[in-house]
Amino acid sequence: DGGITQSPKYLFRKEGQNVTLSCEQNLNHDAMYWYRQDPGQGLRLIYYSQIVNDFQKGDIAEGYSVSREKKESFPLTVTSAQKNPTAFYLCASSMVASPNQPQHFGDGTRLSIL
Amino acid sequence: GQSLEQPSEVTAVEGAIVQINCTYQTSGFYGLSWYQQHDGGAPTFLSYNALDGLEETGRFSSFLSRSDSYGYLLLQELQMKDSASYFCAVGVGNQGGKLIFGQGTELSVKP
Repeated sequence: DGGITQSPKYLFRKEGQNVTLSCEQNLNHDAMYWYRQDPGQGLRLIYYSQIVNDFQKGDIAEGYSVSREKKESFPLTVTSAQKNPTAFYLCASSMVASPNQPQHFGDGTRLSIL
Repeated sequence: GQSLEQPSEVTAVEGAIVQINCTYQTSGFYGLSWYQQHDGGAPTFLSYNALDGLEETGRFSSFLSRSDSYGYLLLQELQMKDSASYFCAVGVGNQGGKLIFGQGTELSVKP
C-alpha cells in the first residue's frame, strides 16, 4: 500500500541535542511538507519542498532544518536552537505543490524533552 | 496577515446535521480545504473548494463564498465515528502547496 511513514512514533530529546525525524513516502509525490501541532491547535508549517533538492521555509522554520536529497525522503532535524520542541510533528505529501492538491499525512512523531 | 476563525467546539446528536463555519482573512487566496483528524491521528483530506458554491461528497458537503471570505463544512446523518477535529485551511497562491490551517473545531457526536 502506498503511503507516508514517519518514524519514530515517540522521541525524547535531551537539552542541547539535535534529533532527526524521518519521513518517507512511496506515493511518487513531488511535494512534501512538515507541520508542527501543539495541543488543541492547528497545524503550522515548518518547511516544505516542491521538488527534490529544493525546499522553502514555512511560518515557523527557526530552530529546524531539512534536506530533500531523494524524492521519497524529507527528514526534519530539530536543533538545539529550538527552545520549545515538545509537540506533535506531522509530515505530508501532495502530488504536486499546489493548494488544490490533497495533502496526505503520516501518523506523526511525538517529541518530548527529557 | 493571514488568519482563519472557526468554532472551537460543536456538539450534536447521532443522525443530526451539523455545520462548521470558517471565516478567513488572507492575501493570495487559492481555495479552501477541509481536513478531519481523529484524536492523535493523521489528518485526512475531506474536500476542496476553489469556486463559490457547494461541493457534495457523500454525507459531507463544503461551501465557499469568496466575496464573504467564508466557508462551511456540512455533515449529515451524523455517526459516532464522526467525532473528531475538523480543520479548515486556505491555500496561498504562488507559494507552492502552502496551506494555512485554522485552529480546528472539535466535534462531539452524542448518542
